Amino acid sequence: DAGITQSPRHKVTETGTPVTLRCHQTENHRYMYWYRQDPGHGLRLIHYSYGVKDTDKGEVSDGYSVSRSKTEDFLLTLESATSSQTSVYFCAISDLDRGNYGYTFGSGTRLTVV
Amino acid sequence: AQTVTQSQPEMSVQEAETVTLSCTYDTSESDYYLFWYKQPPSRQMILVIRQEAYKQQNATENRFSVNFQKAAKSFSLKISDSQLGDAAMYFCAYRASNAGGTSYGKLTFGQGTILTVHP
Repeated sequence: DAGITQSPRHKVTETGTPVTLRCHQTENHRYMYWYRQDPGHGLRLIHYSYGVKDTDKGEVSDGYSVSRSKTEDFLLTLESATSSQTSVYFCAISDLDRGNYGYTFGSGTRLTVV
Repeated sequence: AQTVTQSQPEMSVQEAETVTLSCTYDTSESDYYLFWYKQPPSRQMILVIRQEAYKQQNATENRFSVNFQKAAKSFSLKISDSQLGDAAMYFCAYRASNAGGTSYGKLTFGQGTILTVHP
């Protein structure tokens, strides 16, 4: 969607390798989120950020870490990928500080761990 | 913790007919927001409709309307005059009020309902 891009769009990686997914925004929003989507579970929150270097864990954070050194970039890292981390990953941004209720989602990254 | 439940994994409807997708949620908070998102095969997440819990009036957006029952913690989506383009996965989502800033805008999603529209 306009203002937010995720990269890569698809990735296949081997078990045990590190993987980093990137979320880049041009909207200058303070809040950023990483979700994973799995059949039967909907979207579940992995990590979120409420400012540069301000991050916290979501409900499914085990095996994932994040970093936010700039407002525009929010990185999700799988330190040692496992097959259970095969999923579609979505980044989202929100402009809550201005009373905006909306969210903008990226187009998703399909990650396959073999 | 808040939970959102969509008990219908799949639904189908004939073109031009009406269909209702169900959503229930559990929360101890009195002020919150509820959303319905549409996800077509392109994976794009599209906001369909939003409801503020403090508003008693049900939200409406063209052919889409909700039945918000706060006491029952129910938030169903009605699609009238269904069109082929309505075929998608639909997610119900909950967000606590940002009063106090502690919710950080985190969304809790239901499991999703796949809607098929038959011509």
